Amino acid sequence: TQLLEQSPQFLSIQEGENLTVYCNSSSVFSSLQWYRQEPGEGPVLLVTVVTGGEVKKLKRLTFQFGDARKDSSLHITAAQPGDTGLYLCAGSNAGNMLTFGGGTRLMVKP
Amino acid sequence: EAQVTQNPRYLITVTGKKLTVTCSQNMNHEYMSWYRQDPGLGLRQIYYSMNVEVTDKGDVPEGYKVSRKEKRNFPLILESPSPNQTSLYFCASSLKSPRTGYEAFFGQGTRLTVV
Repeated sequence: TQLLEQSPQFLSIQEGENLTVYCNSSSVFSSLQWYRQEPGEGPVLLVTVVTGGEVKKLKRLTFQFGDARKDSSLHITAAQPGDTGLYLCAGSNAGNMLTFGGGTRLMVKP
Repeated sequence: EAQVTQNPRYLITVTGKKLTVTCSQNMNHEYMSWYRQDPGLGLRQIYYSMNVEVTDKGDVPEGYKVSRKEKRNFPLILESPSPNQTSLYFCASSLKSPRTGYEAFFGQGTRLTVV
């Protein structure tokens, strides 16, 4: 089983602060995805990164795929209460579809 | 509207009473899967299906069955539920893109309690 470890597991910050969430593995993935899950809902895809070193931006969210395609980070600038939720990374390879990390639970206080 | 629909959303049952959680998708996706989500353990794959009549075990298949008789439906069956199967269950469907791999669309979840 390919493992993805996310850190930190929990993060509580004030509105306006910046934060970074990490997703690490010893395995290489052909692509890596980030999802956000809100209470009572299923995860929703935010972004997919496919190339080593790739950086993608989604408004205040910046996603980076490691050069060796084993790790990824999610950086949020000037966090807002609406960013509160569970952030999940998932690695994709042939055969077994997706492997998910344990998640980072983010709370942004007004 | 593209969606994955699970039913029921909430279910309380007793040990040993067979149950089925239904999942249906309207996106014509070939790939479907079931996950369970438990505190501290994240999302773990139970079973997946790459096409009609093709299913395979995920990471935690014990105590579960699935079937894929039609492309749109992928029910999860618990023949004899036990309390350790109390969890939040998600069905997902995916397209596989040559470039981006599998991108999953999730249902809203089924919260199952086995007493």
